[in-house]
Amino acid sequence: QQQVKQSPQSLIVQKGGISIINCAYENTAFDYFPWYQQFPGKGPALLIAIRPDVSEKKEGRFTISFNKSAKQFSLHIMDSQPGDSATYFCAASKPAGNQFYFGTGTSLTVIP
Amino acid sequence: NAGVMQNPRHLVRRRGQEARLRCSPMKGHSHVYWYRQLPEEGLKFMVYLQKENIIDESGMPKERFSAEFPKEGPSILRIQQVVRGDSAAYFCASSPVRPDTQYFGPGTRLTVL
Repeated sequence: QQQVKQSPQSLIVQKGGISIINCAYENTAFDYFPWYQQFPGKGPALLIAIRPDVSEKKEGRFTISFNKSAKQFSLHIMDSQPGDSATYFCAASKPAGNQFYFGTGTSLTVIP
Repeated sequence: NAGVMQNPRHLVRRRGQEARLRCSPMKGHSHVYWYRQLPEEGLKFMVYLQKENIIDESGMPKERFSAEFPKEGPSILRIQQVVRGDSAAYFCASSPVRPDTQYFGPGTRLTVL
């Protein structure tokens, strides 16, 4: 079954707006939550990551919000730009685990 | 400082042929992971290897698929007797310590005719 559930499947945002992508998980053993950005024909690139000991992490225009009790985390892209148009994947891993469990992806389109 | 390298980038095979996908990890990385991505889906873990050892192959189909990471040279994902359902993008990732901060290669897009 899908260990990490991601929504929405696609998102269209105006330039300058805020893009929000949500993920939820069930396994409380997960302790590392990265977000990856993937452009067509390219491999996923690490964007930002968080551990459950903090509720928020910000890097430039990208912010992860983490709600441990709800087992949810989200990516916020402030001042969205056309260059942000890509597919975004959330993921999770366990301590000493061997793999990332990926969400199904969100295709973001930022309209000029 | 080259990133993860994969080749070929595109591979076309006919049903029943063999596919060999190669992955060279980033310099200094000794952990390699293979993932498969089907259209409109996320990445699914296949196998985790260290030099000369398969650590976790829980995501690998039991038949036709194998992986290795020899002492010298790239990691190889081998698919024997390919079928149309094997058509996908195959990504390799590497990390210096498992499994955080996995860095992904550009992928090999396999098409089975």
